[in-house]
Amino acid sequence: NAGVTQTPKFRVLKTGQSMTLLCAQDMNHEYMYWYRQDPGMGLRLIHYSVGEGTTAKGEVPDGYNVSRLKKQNFLLGLESAAPSQTSVYFCASSYGQYEQFFGPGTRLTVL
Amino acid sequence: DQQVKQNSPSLSVQEGRISILNCDYTNSMFDYFLWYKKYPAEGPTFLISISSIKDKNEDGRFTVFLNKSAKHLSLHIVPSQPGDSAVYFCAASENDYKLSFGAGTTVTVRA
Repeated sequence: NAGVTQTPKFRVLKTGQSMTLLCAQDMNHEYMYWYRQDPGMGLRLIHYSVGEGTTAKGEVPDGYNVSRLKKQNFLLGLESAAPSQTSVYFCASSYGQYEQFFGPGTRLTVL
Repeated sequence: DQQVKQNSPSLSVQEGRISILNCDYTNSMFDYFLWYKKYPAEGPTFLISISSIKDKNEDGRFTVFLNKSAKHLSLHIVPSQPGDSAVYFCAASENDYKLSFGAGTTVTVRA
């Protein structure tokens, strides 16, 4: 099993450009999450999904959109990237109120 | 407002000695607590958890203690090994699947 995978691993964008981060899990988890990690801030929840076709806002949702068209995939979109979105992005999945399994992360730089 | 706080950004300990990591929380509704370990350029991995109905949970060299009245938990690593050098995140959930994370503590184990 691959667990949770993320694509791409690295990306550099210019301000105003758009991109989509892809997360895939092969554990048949219902719940999926997108976090960002910034120095001194820990992991902050951007958006999450409790099942196929559902999405909800987390702690820091502004500037991001998500979609969960298939149970195994969770996409994070940036419509118009800003330097404040420079961060490391982690996707995670879980069965419920148990441990979350994380992907390896995507390092995004917005110039 | 961060509900989970790790007030020590770093900890240095000699190999073979005990590492004690601390975590405080403000939300009295949190009922499940977890510790994650993160190596550079990797995603966080689950280490150990504890339910609010317990005050201690052990798993090999790792023990988590929970003091609900003080809203405090700690992670003990005994004995510390070089491979334990990593960032440790404390996390908590409020009877659901979303986690609130602390800012992390970087542990360095000296030979």
